[in-house]
Amino acid sequence: AQSVTQLGSHVSVSEGALVLLRCNYSSSVPPYLFWYVQYPNQGLQLLLKYTSAATLVKGINGFEAEFKKSETSFHLTKPSAHMSDAAEYFCAVTLNQAGTALIFGKGTTLSVSS
Amino acid sequence: EAGVVQSPRYKIIEKKQPVAFWCNPISGHNTLYWYRQNLGQGPELLIRYENEEAVDDSQLPKDRFSAERLKGVDSTLKIQPAELGDSAVYLCASSLGGAANYGYTFGSGTRLTVV
Repeated sequence: AQSVTQLGSHVSVSEGALVLLRCNYSSSVPPYLFWYVQYPNQGLQLLLKYTSAATLVKGINGFEAEFKKSETSFHLTKPSAHMSDAAEYFCAVTLNQAGTALIFGKGTTLSVSS
Repeated sequence: EAGVVQSPRYKIIEKKQPVAFWCNPISGHNTLYWYRQNLGQGPELLIRYENEEAVDDSQLPKDRFSAERLKGVDSTLKIQPAELGDSAVYLCASSLGGAANYGYTFGSGTRLTVV
């Protein structure tokens, strides 16, 4: 069975600093990986997804993630944090098979200070 | 294009009372999911529909939870009777085919508080 582990339930950065949110996956077959963002009292919004094409994936709002098979990782980064990036971020995994659902990590809360 | 619509946004009920949540997916999306998100946790799948058929309800507590998706469009999730531990955000999502290719679109959720 597949799963994801998000390292660090809370990450704090200063505005303009690098954002790094960590995600490691476990899967017996090549996975598809996703990052979602959730703002307070809202649903989840897709940031980016890896579906076995390019290993470096660019998403919305300046975020990107790199799939590293050797490290079983899919870390999310952004070069310069904005105050508006403060939110909850979820890594999720699924398989490229019909009938499989997304499995989410426990989430990482990103705080951005001025 | 309208997104996934859920109602109500908030619901407060006393324990042992029934409650129902409604979801209208994106038009044409044949796959519909209900997730439960406990405070400080990631969403956990409750049930997945392919059109009107519940194809994965292994995580649905069937003693008190039920769901239906009439005509393969709107869906309703019901809890009867509600328990304190059911307090959570209930998220509905829909997709056009599998998540791998299309991803999910989530609604804003229903925040349930059981007192």
